[in-house]
Amino acid sequence: TQLLEQSPQFLSIQEGENLTVYCNSSSVFSSLQWYRQEPGEGPVLLVTVVTGGEVKKLKRLTFQFGDARKDSSLHITAAQPGDTGLYLCAGGKSNYQLIWGAGTKLIIKP
Amino acid sequence: SQTIHQWPATLVQPVGSPLSLECTVEGTSNPNLYWYRQAAGRGLQLLFYSVGIGQISSEVPQNLSASRPQDRQFILSSKKLLLSDSGFYLCAWSSLGSAGELFFGEGSRLTVL
Repeated sequence: TQLLEQSPQFLSIQEGENLTVYCNSSSVFSSLQWYRQEPGEGPVLLVTVVTGGEVKKLKRLTFQFGDARKDSSLHITAAQPGDTGLYLCAGGKSNYQLIWGAGTKLIIKP
Repeated sequence: SQTIHQWPATLVQPVGSPLSLECTVEGTSNPNLYWYRQAAGRGLQLLFYSVGIGQISSEVPQNLSASRPQDRQFILSSKKLLLSDSGFYLCAWSSLGSAGELFFGEGSRLTVL
């Protein structure tokens, strides 16, 4: 059974600090997606990584896919209150085979 | 541009009552459609997916059912709700042949009392 473990489960930091959240598995995924979800809304796709070792940047967010395609990280530089939300990772071979992590709940305090 | 809408946004129902959640997609054809359930602040559980009209695959045995009467319409139903059916239900779509990116609706909060 493929599992995706996200850590930490919860993170609360001050505005301006840097942070990294992780998405780890013992299984190989052909791609991995990161979503951000705000309370009462559906998740919104941030990025998809498909190549081992790939790094993608989205403004202050940096996503990395592990060389072995078993893990991924999301690094946020100079966090802002607008970054607050639940960050979910999902991996798999096709849409209906997506494996979801349980998420990291991030709170950025002004 | 593509949009997805689901309704109602909030629903409070007694145990044993029926359920119907609807989802429609605009601006695309032949989408894959999905129903997910999410426990409070946690990950997503796939309930149903559909690759075409009348084609429904169930991932989790339960008292829920899904139907796709039209290409861009997906309905989640139950004849008799259980307390355990409470949760946040999300409809999503993706393009055939995509890298798997999902686009979600706004969600429906169901409370069964």
